[in-house]
Amino acid sequence: DTGVSQDPRHKITKRGQNVTFRCDPISEHNRLYWYRQTLGQGPEFLTYFQNEAQLEKSRLLSDRFSAERPKGSFSTLEIQRTEQGDSAMYLCASSLAQGAETEAFFGQGTRLTVV
Amino acid sequence: AQSVTQLGSHVSVSEGALVLLRCNYSSSVPPYLFWYVQYPNQGLQLLLKYTTGATLVKGINGFEAEFKKSETSFHLTKPSAHMSDAAEYFCAVSDWGGSQGNLIFGKGTKLSVKP
Repeated sequence: DTGVSQDPRHKITKRGQNVTFRCDPISEHNRLYWYRQTLGQGPEFLTYFQNEAQLEKSRLLSDRFSAERPKGSFSTLEIQRTEQGDSAMYLCASSLAQGAETEAFFGQGTRLTVV
Repeated sequence: AQSVTQLGSHVSVSEGALVLLRCNYSSSVPPYLFWYVQYPNQGLQLLLKYTTGATLVKGINGFEAEFKKSETSFHLTKPSAHMSDAAEYFCAVSDWGGSQGNLIFGKGTKLSVKP
């Protein structure tokens, strides 16, 4: 296993279109996180899963954002009716469920540009 | 609630000079603290972490950090900078009180290394 994989690496979309990003975590990791990073800022937590259960989603930015992890393996993050303000790097991370001290491994991110 | 403040959005040092990147945290519970490095258009890589035990933590690439509870600090240091250290560095605290395991990041410090 080579680490957390995200696809696509780059996405350009027109305002109002829907986009979906995929994240494949490290295979033995049961926790999966989504973060958003805008220019000049640190990553901002969006949501996370433990296995297939989405345990925190209150920090998703709006109801246009949704995430799934149907079989407890890969995850998708969808943004509906994209806006220019959604332009950012979307990062996925995974870890083992060993409490708050567990190291999270990050993917290389998907850079979204909304034009 | 936990939070992190990184002092200085941009630090510039000469090759061979000491690197000092500052991080202060706020936490209502014993903190778990992390330093991550991010190269352009890449994800985040863990440099080191503090959970419990020894307050001086050694990480990869010659970096180390010292947890000082009395000062609520977790500054990152490296005795001698290399050109390859040029990157953005993020301090993070684990969000015990909220979603267990997700990280709260500072805004980052961009390190430049002059030849």
